[in-house]
Amino acid sequence: DVKVTQSSRYLVKRTGEKVFLECVQDMDHENMFWYRQDPGLGLRLIYFSYDVKMKEKGDIPEGYSVSREKKERFSLILESASTNQTSMYLCASVSGTMQYFGPGTRLTVL
Amino acid sequence: KQEVTQIPAALSVPEGENLVLNCSFTDSAIYNLQWFRQDPGKGLTSLLLIQSSQREQTSGRLNASLDKSSGRSTLYIAASQPGDSATYLCAVRGAGSYQLTFGKGTKLSVIP
Repeated sequence: DVKVTQSSRYLVKRTGEKVFLECVQDMDHENMFWYRQDPGLGLRLIYFSYDVKMKEKGDIPEGYSVSREKKERFSLILESASTNQTSMYLCASVSGTMQYFGPGTRLTVL
Repeated sequence: KQEVTQIPAALSVPEGENLVLNCSFTDSAIYNLQWFRQDPGKGLTSLLLIQSSQREQTSGRLNASLDKSSGRSTLYIAASQPGDSATYLCAVRGAGSYQLTFGKGTKLSVIP
């Protein structure tokens, strides 16, 4: 079975902190994605990567950056966390046709 | 730009009832369509994936259909159970892309 793991299920940070969200997949997938999910807005794509050191902006990249140094790991970085980045963050990786999701990280920024 | 709409936003049914969830999309140039289930506070679990060349897929009590030309998909759940209570999300992958465009989901409650 494909496994996508995220470093934390719940995270509480303060405004202005630098935040790292980690995602790891164990199936050698090339394509990985970061989404955020908010009530009434659904899932929105932040960034994606189709290979090591490659990245593309999604629909809402402002305030975020990403890092993909190894194929299995895709990190989302909040350079200076703000309260409007309080959200559920979901990572996914793609195998051929299907997207597999991690369990999500619920981030609260105080 | 692709837009995906799911109707209804919420649905409550008694246990044992058959039900249909609807998904519509604006751009018919799709690669595939995927139905997901999401339990509260959890990630997404893939239920069914239909390629653009297919008309339907079945898994147990679930059946998903796709009418690409009209931009519609339905998820049919037979003999609903309380354990089916969750939010169901429809997502479309565009032709030549790995990106998914999601609907906002239908929250299903199955009453015992």
